[in-house]
Amino acid sequence: KQEVTQIPAALSVPEGENLVLNCSFTDSAIYNLQWFRQDPGKGLTSLLLIQSSQREQTSGRLNASLDKSSGRSTLYIAASQPGDSATYLCAVSLIRGMRFGAGTRLTVKP
Amino acid sequence: DTEVTQTPKHLVMGMTNKKSLKCEQHMGHRAMYWYKQKAKKPPELMFVYSYEKLSINESVPSRFSPECPNSSLLNLHLHALQPEDSALYLCASSQAGFRNGYTFGSGTRLTVV
Repeated sequence: KQEVTQIPAALSVPEGENLVLNCSFTDSAIYNLQWFRQDPGKGLTSLLLIQSSQREQTSGRLNASLDKSSGRSTLYIAASQPGDSATYLCAVSLIRGMRFGAGTRLTVKP
Repeated sequence: DTEVTQTPKHLVMGMTNKKSLKCEQHMGHRAMYWYKQKAKKPPELMFVYSYEKLSINESVPSRFSPECPNSSLLNLHLHALQPEDSALYLCASSQAGFRNGYTFGSGTRLTVV
């Protein structure tokens, strides 16, 4: 069974720092990997989608990489802002639907 | 329209009640999903519909009954729920096929009393 792990579980940084969130998965037979943001009690907002054949995707201050062979993805956030505070979830697409990691809860302090 | 709309946003129901959750999208997506999310846990897949047909049921209890009346609508009928079913219920949609990203709704916060 596919296991998706996110490290760290929680992260607190001062405003302006660059940071990296990690995601690992046990089975490399994925179709794609998607990063989401979730604010408390809210739904999921898609940040970046990386196809299994791609190495990275960028959107604004966000950059996500994928190393399918080693079962790893990273989400890089540049120049963090208090508004970036949220839980960040990675999810891998399988035949039986998308499976999620437990998320990294990010707090950016002013 | 690039949104998935879920109604109601909040629902409180008794264990003997029957209620329904509704999900709607107008992006032309032909795959729709129900996920359940408990507090501080990741979303867990419940059901997958592809071209209006149920393709995956992740061994969900029969007190949850999904329905896909057309390509834009997905319902989740609830009956005789237990307090442990209290959770955030998320609907998502995507283009059919495994290579497409998901678009999620804002969820329905369900409380069973």
